[in-house]
Amino acid sequence: ETGVTQTPRHLVMGMTNKKSLKCEQHLGHNAMYWYKQSAKKPLELMFVYSLEERVENNSVPSRFSPECPNSSHLFLHLHTLQPEDSALYLCASSQDTSRNIQYFGAGTRLSVL
Amino acid sequence: GENVEQHPSTLSVQEGDSAVIKCTYSDSASNYFPWYKQELGKGPQLIIDIRSNVGEKKDQRIAVTLNKTAKHFSLHITETQPEDSAVYFCAASKADSSYKLIFGSGTRLLVRP
Repeated sequence: ETGVTQTPRHLVMGMTNKKSLKCEQHLGHNAMYWYKQSAKKPLELMFVYSLEERVENNSVPSRFSPECPNSSHLFLHLHTLQPEDSALYLCASSQDTSRNIQYFGAGTRLSVL
Repeated sequence: GENVEQHPSTLSVQEGDSAVIKCTYSDSASNYFPWYKQELGKGPQLIIDIRSNVGEKKDQRIAVTLNKTAKHFSLHITETQPEDSAVYFCAASKADSSYKLIFGSGTRLLVRP
């Protein structure tokens, strides 16, 4: 148990659906991250939040919309996704953005049909 | 920007043998180099890290070495066990953006009993 919990673990959605991924950290950290993990590719940083403020948006398409209501919770809202968006979406947290060590959740395996 | 290359992409060793995974980075300003282990169905977990002011670091059966001049670092696992089978990722980050971990594409290690 890493202290970072992601739900759901698996999600199948059609291209016209709207769904949300949830991440919760129990570590008292102030920074949270969304990553995309595709097969045989490096982890891609999508968004970074520090104290509920977005500090990084790595040219992610607008069909991905993050939300950080407090320092313990992070959401990724999905709408009108494409099949190439199918991947493992990982959430991570760190004490703050000046600390390198990140703790990852188990991820949500997303399939877009 | 920073680029991290990781080799090999797959590695199969006999139980008890050693395993070595190598990474090279492009940005000489990088100063932090973690290694993550990802088991099936789980998120990446930090197993060891090294900072640029140190050439080698050991933790029981695992060690990391860093050659700043050549801009490469390696993970060494001795006396491998079946439970070492996983995907291993290297990463690099810089002091002025320490939260931005640039990951390699991963090495799938299989330890044959």
